[in-house]
Amino acid sequence: DAGVIQSPRHEVTEMGQEVTLRCKPISGHDYLFWYRQTMMRGLELLIYFNNNVPIDDSGMPEDRFSAKMPNASFSTLKIQPSEPRDSAVYFCASSFWDRQETQYFGPGTRLLVL
Amino acid sequence: SQQGEEDPQALSIQEGENATMNCSYKTSINNLQWYRQNSGRGLVHLILIRSNEREKHSGRLRVTLDTSKKSSSLLITASRAADTASYFCATGANSKLTFGKGITLSVRP
Repeated sequence: DAGVIQSPRHEVTEMGQEVTLRCKPISGHDYLFWYRQTMMRGLELLIYFNNNVPIDDSGMPEDRFSAKMPNASFSTLKIQPSEPRDSAVYFCASSFWDRQETQYFGPGTRLLVL
Repeated sequence: SQQGEEDPQALSIQEGENATMNCSYKTSINNLQWYRQNSGRGLVHLILIRSNEREKHSGRLRVTLDTSKKSSSLLITASRAADTASYFCATGANSKLTFGKGITLSVRP
């Protein structure tokens, strides 16, 4: 398996633009998580899905952020409009919630909003 | 909000030495996990210990858990330069993980 795939790997955009981050989880995994990592705040859980249904979005910073999972093999995280404080590394992770409860992380998308 | 708090924040050791990293947490957990992150990469799972376990081994890794003190430690024995990375503890509860801010480990050749 190729692991969790994220695209793009790097994104540079200007304030006010829409940004869409993409994630393909590991096949067969039924949980998908979106995280944001910054030096100041560390790794924060934004939202997670179970069987394509959003379960907990309490970590989503504000209405400018939205996430969807239209099917088991694809998820998006959208920021509209983007702001400089959204600059961070965004990770997608997936897991199969058996007794192991281990999460598998993608390589991340490094976002810079100018 | 951060559940796990790692200690120390940074650690520098010589190759061949052992590295000990600590994690404390505040609320009840189902399990505690340690992850490694190499610079510019995603996190990689290292080891999981359940709340009813006290110690677990995996290769050069040993993790302990003391639920009465709400603390865990990760020991890496016979460290190598390739162990240089950031290490995170994560507490598992209610189907999700909460990560600490991480420990930066530097292993000098």
